[in-house]
Amino acid sequence: AQTVTQSQPEMSVQEAETVTLSCTYDTSESDYYLFWYKQPPSRQMILVIRQEAYKQQNATENRFSVNFQKAAKSFSLKISDSQLGDAAMYFCAYCATGANSKLTFGKGITLSVRP
Amino acid sequence: NAGVMQNPRHLVRRRGQEARLRCSPVKGHSHVYWYRQLPEEGLKFMVYLQKENIIDESGMPKERFSAEFPKEGPSILRIQQVVRGDSAAYFCASSPRDGGFNYGYTFGSGTRLTVV
Repeated sequence: AQTVTQSQPEMSVQEAETVTLSCTYDTSESDYYLFWYKQPPSRQMILVIRQEAYKQQNATENRFSVNFQKAAKSFSLKISDSQLGDAAMYFCAYCATGANSKLTFGKGITLSVRP
Repeated sequence: NAGVMQNPRHLVRRRGQEARLRCSPVKGHSHVYWYRQLPEEGLKFMVYLQKENIIDESGMPKERFSAEFPKEGPSILRIQQVVRGDSAAYFCASSPRDGGFNYGYTFGSGTRLTVV
């Protein structure tokens, strides 16, 4: 079965600084997708970034980028120029391609941003 | 706003009562997923439905839980005879077709169920 591990329960970053959130996963599949979701106190799950496993290039979305290491099964999220609005829970998630396409989530990490 | 609508946002039930959670997907989306989030945990998959069909219910407890997505109307997650351990946030996500990883999942804001 696929598993997603986020070993850091909490992290803190100074406003305008850079922070990296770690995620590892385990799968025997060769084709899959990885995601980072943000969950603010409103509980709304917001997609931050998505990576397709067969793409070598790391995905980027404005201040958010990933470091995808397929052989190591590692998928970290880097947030540059951190803003107060980035404070939230962040979840790493995995989805195999093929049937059913359900997401497997990690336990999440609480990110706080210091002004 | 054409997002996923979940209601109610908060639901309190006494032990033994029934809880009924509703999810209206994005207009035109025919695939719905339900997830449960326990305190301090990530979301856990429960069930995947297409209109009038259950595609995958491997994450659903065998007893007391059921889900449906009728041809017309919202998807319903029903929990019968609730117990304290059912207290959690329940999220619904929709996608326009199978392969949500490619076409995108849209999540609702969840229903927080509290069993007293």
